[in-house]
Amino acid sequence: EAQVTQNPRYLITVTGKKLTVTCSQNMNHEYMSWYRQDPGLGLRQIYYSMNVEVTDKGDVPEGYKVSRKEKRNFPLILESPSPNQTSLYFCASSFLGLAGGNMNTQYFGPGTRLTVL
Amino acid sequence: RKEVEQDPGPFNVPEGATVAFNCTYSNSASQSFFWYRQDCRKEPKLLMSVYSSGNEDGRFTAQLNRASQYISLLIRDSKLSDSATYLCVVNVRDTGFQKLVFGTGTRLLVSP
Repeated sequence: EAQVTQNPRYLITVTGKKLTVTCSQNMNHEYMSWYRQDPGLGLRQIYYSMNVEVTDKGDVPEGYKVSRKEKRNFPLILESPSPNQTSLYFCASSFLGLAGGNMNTQYFGPGTRLTVL
Repeated sequence: RKEVEQDPGPFNVPEGATVAFNCTYSNSASQSFFWYRQDCRKEPKLLMSVYSSGNEDGRFTAQLNRASQYISLLIRDSKLSDSATYLCVVNVRDTGFQKLVFGTGTRLLVSP
């Protein structure tokens, strides 16, 4: 089954304790992205990756790191989490499509609800 | 001004009603437009793409007005299962790469 998986689904942690949220897709997608969703603000992009070893900042990258060592995996790392990073996080992936063409459908993981105390 | 704006709702409608949502976007160079559906606390899923000539998928009709920079979604014969948040999504070109920008969503509640 084609899917994007995230782990953990729920996490409560304390300020400053490093954590990693994993994301994996089995659709051979080049493009992967992390979003956070907060009430009234919608989905905001944190980081994205167009392929292995190619990552770039989205709109709200502060406090986050990512890596793309393999095509299927795109972990999100919070080196020193703070309460303002409490949010619902989604990983998404898609094909890149033709150069200059339209972006293809993004498939989302089930989400990770993070609470930082 | 937000890149993609939607009325947050909620829109409360009875079963069988017809309901329409609008969405405006600010970047005139945007090329692709979508409606995603998001159920409470779940991931967004593509409902339908929006084409220049307008398109229909069963009870759902999407339209695009490039001149006025807005997109609409019409749902006919609403079902209880249509209750969800509908996200307007637009692609924008950012430093040569196209990225998706999501609206904050319009919440629909269909009641018996």
